Amino acid sequence: DSGVTQTPKHLITATGQRVTLRCSPRSGDLSVYWYQQSLDQGLQFLIQYYNGEERAKGNILERFSAQQFPDLHSELNLSSLELGDSALYFCASSGIATGALNNEQFFGPGTRLTVL
Amino acid sequence: GQQVMQIPQYQHVQEGEDFTTYCNSSTTLSNIQWYKQRPGGHPVFLIQLVKSGEVKKQKRLTFQFGEAKKNSSLHITATQTTDVGTYFCAGRTTDSWGKFQFGAGTQVVVTP
Repeated sequence: DSGVTQTPKHLITATGQRVTLRCSPRSGDLSVYWYQQSLDQGLQFLIQYYNGEERAKGNILERFSAQQFPDLHSELNLSSLELGDSALYFCASSGIATGALNNEQFFGPGTRLTVL
Repeated sequence: GQQVMQIPQYQHVQEGEDFTTYCNSSTTLSNIQWYKQRPGGHPVFLIQLVKSGEVKKQKRLTFQFGEAKKNSSLHITATQTTDVGTYFCAGRTTDSWGKFQFGAGTQVVVTP
């Protein structure tokens, strides 16, 4: 158990809909990362937050958005869903070393999103 | 943009044999991390390399970071069935809040 929790575990929805994925980082971790893992593909970095502020952005679509709240939990919002958005979405957290450059990431169990 | 390539994509290994997976970045990295993801699981951190030419060992696993900090390798000796999974490298860019770029992973299958 990494200490990172993600809800829901599974999500099935239809095209055009909007969903919210939730992540609670490990206690004390200020950085939260979101990744997308499609079938047989690697991890695509979406976005990183540090103590409530966006710090780095990857290949995140405009239809997707995220935020980190004062209690440090984070939410990833996916809207106007398409079939191709079906994937496993991971959240990871890391510690607070300066710049958070050298900290390992602790991954949550993921949310499996299926868009029908 | 930064690209991290990982080869091979698949590795079939007989139990007891050695194998190596390679990670190459198009740009210089500040550090590189390696993760292992078991089937149906989530990535788990294995190690981080920071210094040019760094070599670290964890039991049967040997990790190297290239002199130019653009490539890395993971070598596993005497493969066991517990080594099954996908191994990812993740390179971090050199700007102050570097993004992580994961390689596509090497999926390892071990036959007894």
